[in-house]
Amino acid sequence: EAGVVQSPRYKIIEKKQPVAFWCNPISGHNTLYWYLQNLGQGPELLIRYENEEAVDDSQLPKDRFSAERLKGVDSTLKIQPAELGDSAVYLCASSRTSGMSSYNEQFFGPGTRLTVL
Amino acid sequence: QQQVKQSPQSLIVQKGGISIINCAYENTAFDYFPWYQQFPGKGPALLIAIRPDVSEKKEGRFTISFNKSAKQFSLHIMDSQPGDSATYFCAASKGNAGGTSYGKLTFGQGTILTVHP
Repeated sequence: EAGVVQSPRYKIIEKKQPVAFWCNPISGHNTLYWYLQNLGQGPELLIRYENEEAVDDSQLPKDRFSAERLKGVDSTLKIQPAELGDSAVYLCASSRTSGMSSYNEQFFGPGTRLTVL
Repeated sequence: QQQVKQSPQSLIVQKGGISIINCAYENTAFDYFPWYQQFPGKGPALLIAIRPDVSEKKEGRFTISFNKSAKQFSLHIMDSQPGDSATYFCAASKGNAGGTSYGKLTFGQGTILTVHP
């Protein structure tokens, strides 16, 4: 079984430029997560999708960040414009959530390391 | 608000020794407590998880001890090996559906474990 795929793995941009990250979850996983991981910290949830619906985006800075999950499979996270403080690793995870329980393992991709100069 | 506090920040253990990492949580609604292992350049990977209906769970050399009344849980790595050298994160979530936050993992700050040969 292929894992969560993310691209690009690394991205270096100038501040105020736009940037986009792509995630392909594990086949059959209906729940997709985007996390932000700052250096030396644990991941923090940005947004969670159930199929194509964003069910928790309370931590997403909506003035500059946007995300979409068309057709309930692949997802894209965008930052426009990027700021110096956005330098971090952006992780995508997926899980198979069924019924009323979410005791399901979240599988993480390798992340995209963003550097904003 | 720091909802999951993890200690120590770093830990050095000799090969064959026992590694112990502790976490404390504040939200009594949490009912799922996983531990993740992360190697440099990789995403976190689930190591072991526990629900509060049991006080201990063991898988191979890894054991979670859970104290519901104290709102604390810990990871014990027996017979630590150099290959165990990684960053370990505790996490907590509400596993049962209820509101938009179920399934959202709240991570601790991480512990960098180094096992000397």
